[in-house]
Amino acid sequence: QSALTQPASVSGSPGQSITISCTGTSSDIDDFNYVSWYQHHPGKAPKVMIYDVIDRPSGVSDRFSGSRSGNTASLTISGLQAEDEADYYCSSYTSRSWVFGGGTKLTVL
Amino acid sequence: QVQLVESGGAVAQPGRSLRLSCAASGFTFSSYAMHWVRQAPGKGLEWVAVISYDGSDKYYADSVKGRFSISRDSSKNTLYLQMNSLKTEDTAVYYCAFGAAAGTAIDSWGQGTLVTVSS
Repeated sequence: QSALTQPASVSGSPGQSITISCTGTSSDIDDFNYVSWYQHHPGKAPKVMIYDVIDRPSGVSDRFSGSRSGNTASLTISGLQAEDEADYYCSSYTSRSWVFGGGTKLTVL
Repeated sequence: QVQLVESGGAVAQPGRSLRLSCAASGFTFSSYAMHWVRQAPGKGLEWVAVISYDGSDKYYADSVKGRFSISRDSSKNTLYLQMNSLKTEDTAVYYCAFGAAAGTAIDSWGQGTLVTVSS
């Protein structure tokens, strides 16, 4: 159950696009299509932004998109907005357990 | 609407025990697997445990296996986490959560309860 690897921080200006990567071992990501992404504002409950690699829950902006290549999953946020500033976590389900990435702090400049 | 309200967080000494509770409402509690997820101060999210909808299956993170026990009482719509042999590294906000409409993702979360393990 090793944590998935994410960059500690990313930043972008309003209107720009950013991508956050999430790298795991072959048993974490490569064999499964169960990667999800969470947005977490301090003091609030985490919110699912992407599930099953590419799917968006109802109500989540289409500015958020997910992808996967080999053992790396990615979250792309286009048209950055100030309210996107938050911590983002990837997560993968495998073998009856869930594992989270270390988290990425997104700063909107 | 869905509500998950955790309670039981407290300050405890290393080696002692605590039991967390999560009162669920607004959905059919007995139909969903339930999770505990934690976040240590300044750290990221860590999945702790899951229990199946009927309580027959339970799985744990390696970091808590053998010390923590997850259970549920569907007659009370309540989820529990029994935490024994507490360690300082168990200090965290503990969230009760479940997944309903987003594949294997965890899409409904409580607000969390703080557990502090300190001598």
